[in-house]
Amino acid sequence: EAGVVQSPRYKIIEKKQPVAFWCNPISGHNTLYWYRQNLGQGPELLIRYENEEAVDDSQLPKDRFSAERLKGVDSTLKIQPAELGDSAVYLCASSSPGTRRYEQYFGPGTRLTVT
Amino acid sequence: SQQGEEDPQALSIQEGENATMNCSYKTSINNLQWYRQNSGRGLVHLILIRSNEREKHSGRLRVTLDTSKKSSSLLITASRAADTASYFCATDAGANNLFFGTGTRLTVIP
Repeated sequence: EAGVVQSPRYKIIEKKQPVAFWCNPISGHNTLYWYRQNLGQGPELLIRYENEEAVDDSQLPKDRFSAERLKGVDSTLKIQPAELGDSAVYLCASSSPGTRRYEQYFGPGTRLTVT
Repeated sequence: SQQGEEDPQALSIQEGENATMNCSYKTSINNLQWYRQNSGRGLVHLILIRSNEREKHSGRLRVTLDTSKKSSSLLITASRAADTASYFCATDAGANNLFFGTGTRLTVIP
């Protein structure tokens, strides 16, 4: 079974530029999460999708961040414009319905550096 | 905001020794999970303990949960160099949203 795929793995941009991250969850996983992990910290949830619907985006800074999950599969997280403080690793995770729905599977992440 | 706090922040032990790390959290939970993160494999789920459970085992891992104290511990027995990683506890209040702690960085010296 293929894991959660994320791209790109690394991204370096200048502040005020836009950036987008892509995530392909494990096949059959209807729940998708985006997290941000700052250096030396644990991941912090940004948004959770159940199929196409964003059911929890309370931690997403909506002035500059946006996300979409078209057709309930792949998802894209966008930052526009990026700020220095956005430098972090952006993680995507997915989980399946059923008895193991509490277990999340994480992708390798995208390391963003804003200069 | 992060719900959990791990203790210690860093731990260094010799191969073969046991490693214990603790997690404290603030609010009621449905379950508590432990994850491991290293550069090679990213963030990986280790074990889940439900709020009505007090202890759980998985291979060399033993997790305890004390809901009255809002705390959990992870014990890794007979540690190996490959156990070197950061370990995070994550709490789920029932909405499938995980709140991660700050992590314990474990180094196992061969």
